[in-house]
Amino acid sequence: NAGVTQTPKFRVLKTGQSMTLLCAQDMNHEYMYWYRQDPGMGLRLIHYSVGEGTTAKGEVPDGYNVSRLKKQNFLLGLESAAPSQTSVYFCASSYTHRGTEAFFGQGTRLTVV
Amino acid sequence: TQLLEQSPQFLSIQEGENLTVYCNSSSVFSSLQWYRQEPGEGPVLLVTVVTGGEVKKLKRLTFQFGDARKDSSLHITAAQPGDTGLYLCAGEDSNYQLIWGAGTKLIIKP
Repeated sequence: NAGVTQTPKFRVLKTGQSMTLLCAQDMNHEYMYWYRQDPGMGLRLIHYSVGEGTTAKGEVPDGYNVSRLKKQNFLLGLESAAPSQTSVYFCASSYTHRGTEAFFGQGTRLTVV
Repeated sequence: TQLLEQSPQFLSIQEGENLTVYCNSSSVFSSLQWYRQEPGEGPVLLVTVVTGGEVKKLKRLTFQFGDARKDSSLHITAAQPGDTGLYLCAGEDSNYQLIWGAGTKLIIKP
């Protein structure tokens, strides 16, 4: 089972460049999330979606945009990358919000130089 | 801002020893989840505790939710090298969002 798949796995960007991270899930989950993980800070929610065509801001949304045009895909965009966005990005999905298991992708390690 | 504090941040012990890691908050959570994350991978759910005082066991791992649903602990008996990883707790708040702790990095030496 594929579960949650993220592409790419690694990327190096120059300051000011743009890119899109793709997340795909094959579990028919309604909820999808984008997190960033930085040393000593745990997982911080960037944006999330409660269903196809919906998006909402999380804890640290500035500098990022998202889209959920299809239920199985959740895209995270960086329009003008900054060094502060160097991080490991994780996509996750869950059947519902409430107390249910979140399934994570393997992560994308992004370095902005 | 709700916070979940995990302690210790780092723990390195010998195989066969016992250990406990803690997850504490001043906020009440509807439920609390424990995840384990290995290098280069995403977190994987170990257990969800829902009721205050609840204890769940997963082989050598024992999870407890505090009576007031503000804290939790994970106890590992006779730790093995395969237990090595980053242990994360996440509490579900009243808005159905998960609040994450920073994690405990555990290393079990053979």
